[in-house]
Amino acid sequence: RKEVEQDPGPFNVPEGATVAFNCTYSNSASQSFFWYRQDCRKEPKLLMSVYSSGNEDGRFTAQLNRASQYISLLIRDSKLSDSATYLCVERGNYGQNFVFGPGTRLSVLP
Amino acid sequence: EAGVAQSPRYKIIEKRQSVAFWCNPISGHATLYWYQQILGQGPKLLIQFQNNGVVDDSQLPKDRFSAERLKGVDSTLKIQPAKLEDSAVYLCASSWTRGPRAGKLFFGSGTQLSVL
Repeated sequence: RKEVEQDPGPFNVPEGATVAFNCTYSNSASQSFFWYRQDCRKEPKLLMSVYSSGNEDGRFTAQLNRASQYISLLIRDSKLSDSATYLCVERGNYGQNFVFGPGTRLSVLP
Repeated sequence: EAGVAQSPRYKIIEKRQSVAFWCNPISGHATLYWYQQILGQGPKLLIQFQNNGVVDDSQLPKDRFSAERLKGVDSTLKIQPAKLEDSAVYLCASSWTRGPRAGKLFFGSGTQLSVL
């Protein structure tokens, strides 16, 4: 069983649209959660951490539901530059490794 | 700050040959990771070091893969002998071990390996 699951997409949306990604994790002991962004042929880069209370960074909102063991990422007012693969990441106890989901591909169309 | 350095950027070898990758993490980062990313998949951990000690190598195929970080700074990952299914991007990442920045991974540009 995969530890972190994501809808692979691709999600094709027009500019200005709102798009949401979900991610589920199986490790109930997971402590930390993140969204990373990966552009084509580039390395992953941290987009945002996910906090229990939910957090927002500009057009991006991340939420965590521990009871249902899922994480979401909402992108409002999509830009062409948002086109990328979005990787959901969980981390167990302090010092453990980061477990990546397979990623969800987003294409924002003009 | 200077980023994570990796080399080579690309490598093409034939199956059964050996290959080595090198990584120099960000100065001060005690934790170093090697990930394998197959096309269309997320990165999968191969090995995690803290300083020069191994924290997690449970997913490292030890019959053919080896890694070391002798002085607790730079690291090498070796494959010997390579198989076709080893074709992937090998990503090195580093992070702080403690504190509020411990949750952020910094990745190198990766080494794209093609095994023919």
